[in-house]
Amino acid sequence: NAGVTQTPKFQVLKTGQSMTLQCAQDMNHEYMSWYRQDPGMGLRLIHYSVGAGITDQGEVPNGYNVSRSTTEDFPLRLLSAAPSQTSVYFCASGDRGTYGYTFGSGTRLTVV
Amino acid sequence: GQQVMQIPQYQHVQEGEDFTTYCNSSTTLSNIQWYKQRPGGHPVFLIQLVKSGEVKKQKRLTFQFGEAKKNSSLHITATQTTDVGTYFCAGWGNQGGKLIFGQGTELSVKP
Repeated sequence: NAGVTQTPKFQVLKTGQSMTLQCAQDMNHEYMSWYRQDPGMGLRLIHYSVGAGITDQGEVPNGYNVSRSTTEDFPLRLLSAAPSQTSVYFCASGDRGTYGYTFGSGTRLTVV
Repeated sequence: GQQVMQIPQYQHVQEGEDFTTYCNSSTTLSNIQWYKQRPGGHPVFLIQLVKSGEVKKQKRLTFQFGEAKKNSSLHITATQTTDVGTYFCAGWGNQGGKLIFGQGTELSVKP
Protein backbone atom coordinates (compact mmCIF):
# COMPACT_ATOMS: atom_id res chain seq x y z
CA ASN A 1 0.00 0.00 0.00
CA ALA A 2 1.47 3.33 -1.08
CA GLY A 3 -1.06 5.43 0.85
CA VAL A 4 -1.16 9.02 -0.42
CA THR A 5 1.38 9.89 -3.10
CA GLN A 6 2.20 13.50 -3.93
CA THR A 7 4.35 14.70 -6.80
CA PRO A 8 6.57 16.59 -7.17
CA LYS A 9 8.28 16.88 -3.78
CA PHE A 10 9.90 20.21 -4.64
CA GLN A 11 9.08 22.83 -7.26
CA VAL A 12 10.27 26.32 -8.12
CA LEU A 13 8.00 28.44 -10.29
CA LYS A 14 8.25 31.89 -11.74
CA THR A 15 5.49 34.37 -11.05
CA GLY A 16 2.68 33.89 -13.54
CA GLN A 17 3.48 30.28 -14.39
CA SER A 18 0.89 27.57 -13.93
CA MET A 19 1.35 24.04 -12.70
CA THR A 20 -0.48 21.03 -11.31
CA LEU A 21 0.35 19.29 -8.06
CA GLN A 22 -0.55 15.63 -8.28
CA CYS A 23 -2.15 13.56 -5.53
CA ALA A 24 -3.17 9.92 -5.68
CA GLN A 25 -4.43 7.53 -3.01
CA ASP A 26 -4.89 3.76 -3.16
CA MET A 27 -7.05 3.28 -0.06
CA ASN A 28 -10.44 3.83 -1.74
CA HIS A 29 -11.11 6.82 0.53
CA GLU A 30 -14.08 8.96 -0.41
CA TYR A 31 -12.73 12.20 1.10
CA MET A 32 -9.69 14.03 -0.23
CA SER A 33 -8.37 17.47 0.68
CA TRP A 34 -5.61 19.91 -0.09
CA TYR A 35 -3.97 21.96 2.65
CA ARG A 36 -1.24 24.55 2.66
CA GLN A 37 1.07 25.02 5.59
CA ASP A 38 2.79 28.30 6.36
CA PRO A 39 4.79 29.16 9.50
CA GLY A 40 2.48 30.05 12.38
CA MET A 41 -0.65 29.48 10.27
CA GLY A 42 -1.23 25.80 10.82
CA LEU A 43 -2.87 23.77 8.06
CA ARG A 44 -5.33 25.76 5.99
CA LEU A 45 -7.85 23.98 3.81
CA ILE A 46 -7.72 24.95 0.13
CA HIS A 47 -10.25 22.62 -1.52
CA TYR A 48 -11.82 19.33 -0.62
CA SER A 49 -13.83 16.54 -2.22
CA VAL A 50 -16.33 14.10 -0.80
CA GLY A 51 -16.31 11.82 -3.83
CA ALA A 52 -15.62 11.59 -7.53
CA GLY A 53 -17.17 14.54 -9.35
CA ILE A 54 -17.78 16.52 -6.14
CA THR A 55 -15.51 19.31 -4.95
CA ASP A 56 -15.92 22.35 -2.75
CA GLN A 57 -13.94 25.33 -1.52
CA GLY A 58 -12.12 25.42 1.76
CA GLU A 59 -10.73 28.37 3.72
CA VAL A 60 -8.24 29.71 1.16
CA PRO A 61 -9.38 28.66 -2.36
CA ASN A 62 -8.40 31.73 -4.38
CA GLY A 63 -5.81 31.05 -7.07
CA TYR A 64 -6.35 27.28 -7.03
CA ASN A 65 -8.55 24.87 -8.96
CA VAL A 66 -9.30 21.22 -8.35
CA SER A 67 -11.16 18.40 -10.04
CA ARG A 68 -11.90 14.84 -9.03
CA SER A 69 -12.66 12.62 -12.00
CA THR A 70 -11.75 9.39 -10.17
CA THR A 71 -11.78 8.24 -6.55
CA GLU A 72 -7.98 7.89 -6.61
CA ASP A 73 -6.80 11.23 -7.99
CA PHE A 74 -7.23 14.80 -6.78
CA PRO A 75 -4.91 17.24 -8.61
CA LEU A 76 -4.45 20.83 -7.48
CA ARG A 77 -3.90 23.45 -10.19
CA LEU A 78 -2.21 26.79 -9.65
CA LEU A 79 -3.57 29.04 -12.35
CA SER A 80 -1.05 31.89 -12.25
CA ALA A 81 1.54 31.45 -9.53
CA ALA A 82 2.21 34.31 -7.11
CA PRO A 83 4.91 34.65 -4.42
CA SER A 84 2.14 34.46 -1.79
CA GLN A 85 1.60 30.86 -2.88
CA THR A 86 5.05 29.87 -1.67
CA SER A 87 4.20 27.18 0.86
CA VAL A 88 4.22 23.50 1.69
CA TYR A 89 1.20 21.74 0.21
CA PHE A 90 -0.25 18.58 1.69
CA CYS A 91 -2.82 16.28 0.15
CA ALA A 92 -4.81 14.06 2.51
CA SER A 93 -7.45 11.38 2.19
CA GLY A 94 -9.82 9.64 4.56
CA ASP A 95 -13.40 9.08 5.57
CA ARG A 96 -15.52 9.80 8.62
CA GLY A 97 -14.49 6.61 10.33
CA THR A 98 -12.14 6.35 13.25
CA TYR A 99 -8.81 6.48 11.50
CA GLY A 100 -8.45 10.12 10.57
CA TYR A 101 -6.84 11.52 7.49
CA THR A 102 -3.76 10.02 5.86
CA PHE A 103 -1.40 12.70 4.59
CA GLY A 104 1.02 12.66 1.70
CA SER A 105 4.63 13.67 2.26
CA GLY A 106 4.05 17.16 0.87
CA THR A 107 5.18 19.41 -1.97
CA ARG A 108 7.45 22.32 -1.13
CA LEU A 109 6.64 25.08 -3.63
CA THR A 110 8.61 28.27 -4.08
CA VAL A 111 7.36 31.05 -6.36
CA VAL A 112 9.97 33.61 -7.37
CA GLY B 1 -17.35 29.83 9.19
CA GLN B 2 -16.11 27.32 11.68
CA GLN B 3 -12.87 28.20 13.44
CA VAL B 4 -10.62 26.02 15.55
CA MET B 5 -8.24 27.83 17.89
CA GLN B 6 -5.28 26.22 19.55
CA ILE B 7 -2.99 27.49 22.32
CA PRO B 8 -0.21 27.92 23.02
CA GLN B 9 1.52 28.37 19.68
CA TYR B 10 4.89 27.30 21.13
CA GLN B 11 5.93 25.42 24.24
CA HIS B 12 9.48 24.78 25.37
CA VAL B 13 9.91 22.26 28.18
CA GLN B 14 12.69 20.45 29.96
CA GLU B 15 12.68 16.71 29.41
CA GLY B 16 10.54 15.12 32.10
CA GLU B 17 8.16 18.08 32.44
CA ASP B 18 4.52 17.82 31.49
CA PHE B 19 2.94 19.52 28.47
CA THR B 20 -0.62 20.51 27.61
CA THR B 21 -2.14 22.02 24.48
CA TYR B 22 -5.70 23.31 24.29
CA CYS B 23 -8.14 23.44 21.42
CA ASN B 24 -11.35 25.49 21.18
CA SER B 25 -13.96 25.53 18.46
CA SER B 26 -16.38 28.31 17.59
CA THR B 27 -19.08 25.70 17.03
CA THR B 28 -20.07 22.37 18.55
CA LEU B 29 -18.05 19.55 17.05
CA SER B 30 -19.32 16.09 16.13
CA ASN B 31 -15.86 14.79 16.96
CA ILE B 32 -12.30 16.02 17.29
CA GLN B 33 -9.07 14.55 15.98
CA TRP B 34 -5.46 15.03 17.05
CA TYR B 35 -2.40 14.81 14.81
CA LYS B 36 1.36 15.00 15.33
CA GLN B 37 3.81 16.40 12.81
CA ARG B 38 7.51 15.76 13.35
CA PRO B 39 9.92 18.45 12.08
CA GLY B 40 10.17 18.18 8.29
CA GLY B 41 7.44 15.55 8.17
CA HIS B 42 3.74 15.33 7.50
CA PRO B 43 0.86 15.21 10.00
CA VAL B 44 0.10 11.76 11.39
CA PHE B 45 -3.25 10.88 12.91
CA LEU B 46 -3.14 10.10 16.65
CA ILE B 47 -6.72 9.73 17.86
CA GLN B 48 -10.35 10.73 17.47
CA LEU B 49 -12.73 11.65 20.31
CA VAL B 50 -16.46 11.46 19.74
CA LYS B 51 -18.39 11.51 23.01
CA SER B 52 -18.99 14.45 25.31
CA GLY B 53 -16.54 14.30 28.24
CA GLU B 54 -14.56 11.48 26.64
CA VAL B 55 -11.04 10.77 27.90
CA LYS B 56 -8.62 8.51 26.05
CA LYS B 57 -5.05 7.57 26.83
CA GLN B 58 -2.15 6.47 24.66
CA LYS B 59 0.78 5.67 26.94
CA ARG B 60 1.90 9.09 28.28
CA LEU B 61 -0.65 11.02 26.17
CA THR B 62 -4.10 11.86 27.56
CA PHE B 63 -6.80 13.32 25.33
CA GLN B 64 -9.98 14.95 26.59
CA PHE B 65 -13.13 16.15 24.85
CA GLY B 66 -15.13 18.81 26.64
CA GLU B 67 -18.64 18.31 27.96
CA ALA B 68 -20.03 20.85 25.49
CA LYS B 69 -18.01 19.29 22.63
CA LYS B 70 -16.44 22.68 21.84
CA ASN B 71 -13.03 22.17 23.41
CA SER B 72 -10.38 19.54 23.79
CA SER B 73 -6.94 19.07 25.30
CA LEU B 74 -3.87 16.92 24.87
CA HIS B 75 -1.66 16.33 27.90
CA ILE B 76 1.74 14.65 27.75
CA THR B 77 3.17 13.37 31.02
CA ALA B 78 6.94 13.40 31.53
CA THR B 79 7.94 14.58 28.05
CA GLN B 80 10.72 12.87 26.15
CA THR B 81 12.80 14.14 23.23
CA THR B 82 10.78 11.86 20.96
CA ASP B 83 7.72 14.01 21.71
CA VAL B 84 9.19 16.94 19.77
CA GLY B 85 6.94 18.18 16.97
CA THR B 86 3.79 20.13 16.28
CA TYR B 87 0.48 18.89 17.64
CA PHE B 88 -2.71 19.77 15.79
CA CYS B 89 -6.34 19.39 16.68
CA ALA B 90 -8.93 19.21 13.91
CA GLY B 91 -12.70 19.23 13.73
CA TRP B 92 -15.20 18.35 11.05
CA GLY B 93 -17.19 21.23 9.62
CA ASN B 94 -20.93 21.12 9.14
CA GLN B 95 -20.36 20.06 5.55
CA GLY B 96 -19.15 16.52 5.17
CA GLY B 97 -15.51 16.12 4.23
CA LYS B 98 -14.40 19.53 5.52
CA LEU B 99 -11.77 18.94 8.21
CA ILE B 100 -10.58 22.19 9.79
CA PHE B 101 -7.28 22.31 11.67
CA GLY B 102 -6.14 24.48 14.52
CA GLN B 103 -2.91 26.46 14.20
CA GLY B 104 -0.96 23.80 16.07
CA THR B 105 1.30 23.84 19.13
CA GLU B 106 4.99 23.39 18.48
CA LEU B 107 6.66 21.46 21.29
CA SER B 108 10.38 21.52 21.86
CA VAL B 109 12.00 19.38 24.56
CA LYS B 110 15.37 20.21 26.05
CA PRO B 111 17.29 17.13 27.18
